[in-house]
Amino acid sequence: EVQLLESGGGLVQPGGSLRLSCAASGFTFSAYAMSWVRQAPGKGLEWVSTISGSGGDTYYADSVRGRFTISRDNSKNTLSLQMNSLRPEDTAIYYCAKCPLGPGGTVVFDYWGPGTLVTVSS
Amino acid sequence: QSALTQPASVSGSPGQSITISCTGTSSDIGGYNYVSWYQQHPGKAPKLMIYNVSNRPSGVSTRFSGSKSGNTASLTISGLQAEDEADYYCTSYRRSSTRVGFGGGTKLTVL
Repeated sequence: EVQLLESGGGLVQPGGSLRLSCAASGFTFSAYAMSWVRQAPGKGLEWVSTISGSGGDTYYADSVRGRFTISRDNSKNTLSLQMNSLRPEDTAIYYCAKCPLGPGGTVVFDYWGPGTLVTVSS
Repeated sequence: QSALTQPASVSGSPGQSITISCTGTSSDIGGYNYVSWYQQHPGKAPKLMIYNVSNRPSGVSTRFSGSKSGNTASLTISGLQAEDEADYYCTSYRRSSTRVGFGGGTKLTVL
């Protein structure tokens, strides 16, 4: 059974940094691209970033490029999101999501974690 | 402002069919067959319902179907059930620096 569990959320001041982690189990982690998707309180979903299975390819939304860094440790089955220069508009639940194999796989999210809340406020 | 346009709400009675539209451009929906649909119940993580326009993941009811015509994708739910009441989001690959676009979401109410 695929399981994803995010951690690392919390309250941070504007301009601060936070590192999110996602522990994965139940599948061959290194074979799959992984993504982060966020949802501001009461708002819709927003794609944040995706990383290939090997970690060699990364993609970012314009809204976070240059501030956020996605990475993975395939030896520990862990996905991370380093968030710097945080802004109030980054306040959201951050979901870790697995991408399936196959055509278009890196833009599909077939399993999701429960999410972790990040609040950026002074 | 979302990359893709969905109606804010739709409603239907149990047993009826409803369709949720998702409109984009030739740079996303119209140019690629990489449209997905997600269901989200309040306080829960989203669930993949349809991928690559019309494919259903294992375990998703056959009452859910997807299609595309031009720059508009559609999710149809037949035989509406109370448990289908949720928010629904479409996504598509985009030929853009932000390669994944989401719709703003549609709240489905089962009357």
